[in-house]
Amino acid sequence: NAGVMQNPRHLVRRRGQEARLRCSPMKGHSHVYWYRQLPEEGLKFMVYLQKENIIDESGMPKERFSAEFPKEGPSILRIQQVVRGDSAAYFCASSPGKEWTKNIQYFGAGTRLSVL
Amino acid sequence: GQQLNQSPQSMFIQEGEDVSMNCTSSSIFNTWLWYKQDPGEGPVLLIALYKAGELTSNGRLTAQFGITRKDSFLNISASIPSDVGIYFCAAPQGGGTSYGKLTFGQGTILTVHP
Repeated sequence: NAGVMQNPRHLVRRRGQEARLRCSPMKGHSHVYWYRQLPEEGLKFMVYLQKENIIDESGMPKERFSAEFPKEGPSILRIQQVVRGDSAAYFCASSPGKEWTKNIQYFGAGTRLSVL
Repeated sequence: GQQLNQSPQSMFIQEGEDVSMNCTSSSIFNTWLWYKQDPGEGPVLLIALYKAGELTSNGRLTAQFGITRKDSFLNISASIPSDVGIYFCAAPQGGGTSYGKLTFGQGTILTVHP
């Protein structure tokens, strides 16, 4: 049973380019979360999605960042016109969404974004 | 927003020693989680706590949910080299059990000398 799958593991972009990060949740999980981790820091919440719905995007920067979780296919975190400050590790987590386990989140290995 | 204060920031210990770390907050939580992160990997769930005063073990790891619901502790007994990594506490923002957004502590970096 595969865990949370993220790709690519490493992504290099030049300033101004677009970055697309993909996340396939664990089988049977319908809730997806995205977090960002700067070096030597804890993870910071960005966005929480269910299929075709954004539930909470309070941690997302207002500009250039967007996320989706379509009916079919992986969740996508999209960063337009990347800047050097976007360089970080981006983690996706998924959960089954049942009430008492809703906050047991299982994490992927992350995508390390480097902006040149 | 809600913050989790985790300490110590780092620990350097000898193999075989016991380790203790803790996490505190000014807010009340109904769930506490402990994760471990290896270099270049994502966090892996170690222990989940759901009740104030609860003490839960997972092998050599033991975690406790503080009675005030504002803190949690993680102990590792008889450390081994593969315990090396960063340990994070986490709790759902909003304090409820149904709210998915997690707040993380700053992490404790554990180094074990053979």
